[in-house]
Amino acid sequence: KNEVEQSPQNLTAQEGEFITINCSYSVGISALHWLQQHPGGGIVSLFMLSSGKKKHGRLIATINIQEKHSSLHITASHPRDSAVYICAVRRGNEKLTFGTGTRLTIIP
Amino acid sequence: DTAVSQTPKYLVTQMGNDKSIKCEQNLGHDTMYWYKQDSKKFLKIMFSYNNKELIINETVPNRFSPKSPDKAHLNLHINSLELGDSAVYFCASSPQRTGELFFGEGSRLTVL
Repeated sequence: KNEVEQSPQNLTAQEGEFITINCSYSVGISALHWLQQHPGGGIVSLFMLSSGKKKHGRLIATINIQEKHSSLHITASHPRDSAVYICAVRRGNEKLTFGTGTRLTIIP
Repeated sequence: DTAVSQTPKYLVTQMGNDKSIKCEQNLGHDTMYWYKQDSKKFLKIMFSYNNKELIINETVPNRFSPKSPDKAHLNLHINSLELGDSAVYFCASSPQRTGELFFGEGSRLTVL
């Protein structure tokens, strides 16, 4: 079993829908990252959080340290949000462990 | 200016060859990384350097040798390439203070 599990693996939604992607992990962490990988292949860091909630534009990330769970929400989704979203957890040292990603497709 | 740049973006080579991928960051970050993304798009850490010192070396064959000539560069040299080395290799950097990650565009290696 992977230390970092994401769900769903694939998600297709209509433009405008509210999107939630979940990440659960089984180890103690110092921080959690949400990354976005577009079809072109480049990876962009969306959020790094260790507690509470962060918001950037239409994106919101939350984390519950006690439950070892994080969610990434997208409000008013748009076709340009179509990408693979990857959760990664950082333990005490520099090591990152990645989830397997959630492929999101937003249909116009 | 690209913050984290990798070269080459694409590399096609024969089994048994030796090749290098270069990475440079102009962000003044202390820490640099190499990650491998396999055909199933799963990312895995290979190496991490902090101020030119190796701090993470995951279970990577010793055919892979990272070299950090200075804080801004982390190159990856691969000897005796094998078919299974075909992947996309991502370089990244982060400032020690925040740990936020900045990725290069990736280098797609194809071993024939």
